[in-house]
Amino acid sequence: EVQLVESGGGLVQPGRSLKLSCLASGFTFSNYGMNWIRQAPGKGLEWIVYISSSSSYIYYADTVKGRFTISRDNAKNTLYLQMTSLRSEDTALYYCARQEYAPMDAWGQGASVTVSS
Amino acid sequence: NIVLTQSPATLSVTPGESVSLSCRASQSISTSIHWYQQKSNASPRLLIKYASQSISGIPSRFSGSGSGTDFTLSINRVESEDFSIYYCQQSYSSLYTFGAGTKLELK
Repeated sequence: EVQLVESGGGLVQPGRSLKLSCLASGFTFSNYGMNWIRQAPGKGLEWIVYISSSSSYIYYADTVKGRFTISRDNAKNTLYLQMTSLRSEDTALYYCARQEYAPMDAWGQGASVTVSS
Repeated sequence: NIVLTQSPATLSVTPGESVSLSCRASQSISTSIHWYQQKSNASPRLLIKYASQSISGIPSRFSGSGSGTDFTLSINRVESEDFSIYYCQQSYSSLYTFGAGTKLELK
């Protein structure tokens, strides 16, 4: 069974940093591109970043470019999102999602991030 | 960035009705559109890929059509479990975008 489990969320003050992890199981992680998508409370889905299977290609949405960094460790089947200079508008549920060519065919349950003083 | 406009924002229907949800792209994106369903307090689920390709395990009452800038998700005879929010997403550009969603609610 394909599983994606996010962790590392929590309450953080504005301007501080936080690192999310997404542990993958049930498939060959190194064969798939991965994404982070977030959803602010009561709002829609916002794609924020993609990383290819070998980390050769990385694309960021303008809203997080320069502040967030995606990475992966294929030996540990884990995807990461390093978030710095956090703002209140970064408050959201953060999902990792597997990418099968283009569509996102498997999603985690999400990690909640709240940016507040 | 490619903007996806979904309409209507909310659709009120009774079970058994058939419905069509629209997604319009700000530029031509061929068939690089995918549809997701998100039930309350749950993660999104892929319903349709590349505008019209079915997904294993998804009921056959869900279908998609369109190309270029106009796309449609159709649900034939809505069932109670279908009341959710539906999102379209484009992969034509490497900067992916989602539409704002259409909420399908019980009339």
